[in-house]
Amino acid sequence: EVQLVESGGGLVQPGGSLRLSCAASGFTFSDHYMDWVRQAPGKGLEWVGRTRDKINSYSTEYAASVKGRFTVSRDGSKNSLYLQMNSLQSEDTAVYYCARSIRDSSGHYNFDYWGQGTLVTVSS
Amino acid sequence: DIRMTQSPSSLSASIGDRVTITCRASQDIRNYLAWFQQKPGKAPKSLIYAASSLQSGVPSKFSGSGYGTEFTLTISSLQPEDSATYYCQHYDTYPPTFGGGTKVEIK
Repeated sequence: EVQLVESGGGLVQPGGSLRLSCAASGFTFSDHYMDWVRQAPGKGLEWVGRTRDKINSYSTEYAASVKGRFTVSRDGSKNSLYLQMNSLQSEDTAVYYCARSIRDSSGHYNFDYWGQGTLVTVSS
Repeated sequence: DIRMTQSPSSLSASIGDRVTITCRASQDIRNYLAWFQQKPGKAPKSLIYAASSLQSGVPSKFSGSGYGTEFTLTISSLQPEDSATYYCQHYDTYPPTFGGGTKVEIK
C-alpha cells in the first residue's frame, strides 16, 4: 500500500526557514517523480515543485513563486522527500502536500497518491 | 502559465442526478488533464488522468472527456459521499496549474 506521511509543519516568523519531510512507503521511491503541492487556507491548489526519478538524476523544477527560496530534495536511503523553505513570507502560509507522480503512456507525469498534508503558518 | 477555468464554481444537485463540471484551458493541452476530489479537511484524491482514464480504484460513476482546451467531469448518479470540491489540473507543461475548484453539494 502506497503511503505518504508529511511532517515538519508549524509556526514560523516571516523571513524564517522550515524543512518539511515526506516519508514514503509501499513503492520503489527512486523510480518515481515526487511533488509538493500547497493549499492556502480556504483557497485552491498550487503546485510548488518537483524532483524527478533516479534515471533523470533527481533533477528539479519549481514554481516561479518559490524559485530561489525553496529547495526540493530526497534521500533514497530513508525513502524521504524534503522541502527546504527559506525566506518565508505570509503568503507561504498553507497546507503542504507531497504527492507521487506516475508516468502515463504518453510519457507525461500526473499525481496519483497524496499525503495527508502538514500546515505551515508564517506569522509574527 | 496556462490558466485553467472551471465552471460552475458551485452547484447543488439531488441524489441520483447526473452532474457535469467543465474545465477550460487557456491554450491547447492535448489530453494532459487530471481531475481530483477533495473533501473538507482532507487531502485531494486523484480521480482521472489523461482526460478520461480512471485512476485505480475509482468507481465507474466518474467519467471524464475532452481534448485540447475543453474538458468535462461527469458523475453519473450523485451520491451523498460525492459531496466535495473537484479540481481540474493540466500537466502538459511547467508549471502544472489547477482550476479554481467546483464545490458540489447535495440538495
